[in-house]
Amino acid sequence: GESVGLHLPTLSVQEGDNSIINCAYSNSASDYFIWYKQESGKGPQFIIDIRSNMDKRQGQRVTVLLNKTVKHLSLQIAATQPGDSAVYFCAERGSGGYNKLIFGAGTRLAVHP
Amino acid sequence: GAVVSQHPSRVICKSGTSVKIECRSLDFQATTMFWYRQFPKQSLMLMATSNEGSKATYEQGVEKDKFLINHASLTLSTLTVTSAHPEDSSFYICSATLSYNEQFFGPGTRLTVL
Repeated sequence: GESVGLHLPTLSVQEGDNSIINCAYSNSASDYFIWYKQESGKGPQFIIDIRSNMDKRQGQRVTVLLNKTVKHLSLQIAATQPGDSAVYFCAERGSGGYNKLIFGAGTRLAVHP
Repeated sequence: GAVVSQHPSRVICKSGTSVKIECRSLDFQATTMFWYRQFPKQSLMLMATSNEGSKATYEQGVEKDKFLINHASLTLSTLTVTSAHPEDSSFYICSATLSYNEQFFGPGTRLTVL
């Protein structure tokens, strides 16, 4: 199930299930979006990216969907594994150049055996 | 792949002291580096954009005199937290850009101010 805590919402899934993590972004002019995985005490790790001229991109076990009409991104993880347990952030490239990234609030994914 | 390191990984200091955190791109030259701060159970908040050889650009609400950034070379940026206080305790993360679409993150530095 999904719950909203004081800060990070948590998505709990069973091992082997598919996971869908959602993100609402803020800037309709953003042209590039990235999903990151962050394990406790570590820096963000790149998962997959998508440009604004696309609506879907697939990687290994992961798919990112982009809906520009409602400014929504989703990350789908197939056959979720315990090693996927982490916090997931979407990020959008803001305006102003220099590749500045604005991070979303994040979702904690808890995978149960 | 491109690797970004940070040093130290953890630091504990007394209130009122200054702490320097280093961010290095190990196998590539990065014209731009970014510094983020992350409080527990929260997202990454961009603090500043650091360009080699020029002054850093700080985000709104970030005190430039408190968080000194120096980007002296294409592989090194430093963040100095001056006169640190307990509310500065946080996880500080840097990133470095290899190209416009490639940004690599360091492992982070846990700062605890007593």
